[in-house]
Amino acid sequence: KAGVTQTPRYLIKTRGQQVTLSCSPISGHRSVSWYQQTPGQGLQFLFEYFSETQRNKGNFPGRFSGRQFSNSRSEMNVSTLELGDSALYLCASSWGQATNEKLFFGSGTQLSVL
Amino acid sequence: AQSVTQLDSQVPVFEEAPVELRCNYSSSVSVYLFWYVQYPNQGLQLLLKYLSGSTLVKGINGFEAEFNKSQTSFHLRKPSVHISDTAEYFCAVSVRGSSNTGKLIFGQGTTLQVKP
Repeated sequence: KAGVTQTPRYLIKTRGQQVTLSCSPISGHRSVSWYQQTPGQGLQFLFEYFSETQRNKGNFPGRFSGRQFSNSRSEMNVSTLELGDSALYLCASSWGQATNEKLFFGSGTQLSVL
Repeated sequence: AQSVTQLDSQVPVFEEAPVELRCNYSSSVSVYLFWYVQYPNQGLQLLLKYLSGSTLVKGINGFEAEFNKSQTSFHLRKPSVHISDTAEYFCAVSVRGSSNTGKLIFGQGTTLQVKP
């Protein structure tokens, strides 16, 4: 069974640009959540989608958005990039709707903003 | 609000020695507790989780953790570490309720350095 796939693996952008990251969950998983990982702030929750609906959102500005498609694949978008958006963005999937479920993480997309 | 504190940012230990990685949490509501491990250039992998019941939880790779409600702690232990255990370890909590699905609150992480 394939794991969680995130593309691209690395990305370099400049300030002011926008970026789209992609996540393909494990087959059969319907929940996709996104996390930002930085050395200073650690791992922070961005948002979670289930059946194409955003159910939960972290404390990030509106420049960060996401969506989920009918096949459960998810994308997140960051507009008007800032230097502080440089981070590893991790996607995680799980089967259902319980908060005690194991999350399966992808290897992440390393975003560098210059 | 919930918070997680990992008391050590780095823990150096020699191979085959025991290790304990400490985690304390704060929450006014019931939470589930997790330990995840992150190897270099990889995502996170679940080691173990505490949902309810026995306070001693056994996980993969010989790790175990003990939930202590009175001390709000969830320390991770391994009796004998290997070089391959070198990684970053994260303690995390989640709150019951569908509005919190997918949301884990992580500690800052503890880097375990196993020396030969």
